[in-house]
Amino acid sequence: DQQVKQNSPSLSVQEGRISILNCDYTNSMFDYFLWYKKYPAEGPTFLISISSIKDKNEDGRFTVFLNKSAKHLSLHIVPSQPGDSAVYFCAAKGHSGTYKYIFGTGTRLKVLA
Amino acid sequence: NAGVMQNPRHLVRRRGQEARLRCSPMKGHSHVYWYRQLPEEGLKFMVYLQKENIIDESGMPKERFSAEFPKEGPSILRIQQVVRGDSAAYFCASSPPGQEDYGYTFGSGTRLTVV
Repeated sequence: DQQVKQNSPSLSVQEGRISILNCDYTNSMFDYFLWYKKYPAEGPTFLISISSIKDKNEDGRFTVFLNKSAKHLSLHIVPSQPGDSAVYFCAAKGHSGTYKYIFGTGTRLKVLA
Repeated sequence: NAGVMQNPRHLVRRRGQEARLRCSPMKGHSHVYWYRQLPEEGLKFMVYLQKENIIDESGMPKERFSAEFPKEGPSILRIQQVVRGDSAAYFCASSPPGQEDYGYTFGSGTRLTVV
């Protein structure tokens, strides 16, 4: 049972354009959502988070949007840069104090110069 | 301040051997989590430990796998009698107490290959 789904295994975007990565979840009890970025042969690195009390969180070029009614979140990267090429994982967990993050299968982003 | 340190980075074992994966959390982090990534899949939770305690091992296979986080030294994930299906990347992560809402810091992983 895949509770967190990233239905696009890969995405290619031209440098300078917007990258939009999508994530859907099934568990309405999820309250905290994260995006991680992963380069080959490295561990995931934290990128940005959002809690269910918000619908948007912005950090520089990265913005995460949360639509609770649709159980959908997205990561926007504007403008995209070649260094953003990596695999992006979304992850979700329950209420504050819980610890088990459920990860999606990842989307491989390629930013073309 | 070193990050989460995992070793070895790569480990090759023959079927039936034992694999030991080590993880030293970030300084000040007392919570350790192990995740496994099978090829073409996402990260799957295996176990959550605090010093000398296994808090949640619900993601660990019932047999052959064990984990510990002793009072002194790194956390160890041990896989006995490895099989080809154990080949995966094993990631350790850590967090300070009470900061789980803000994600974990991951190590670079140990890539286990069973031949």
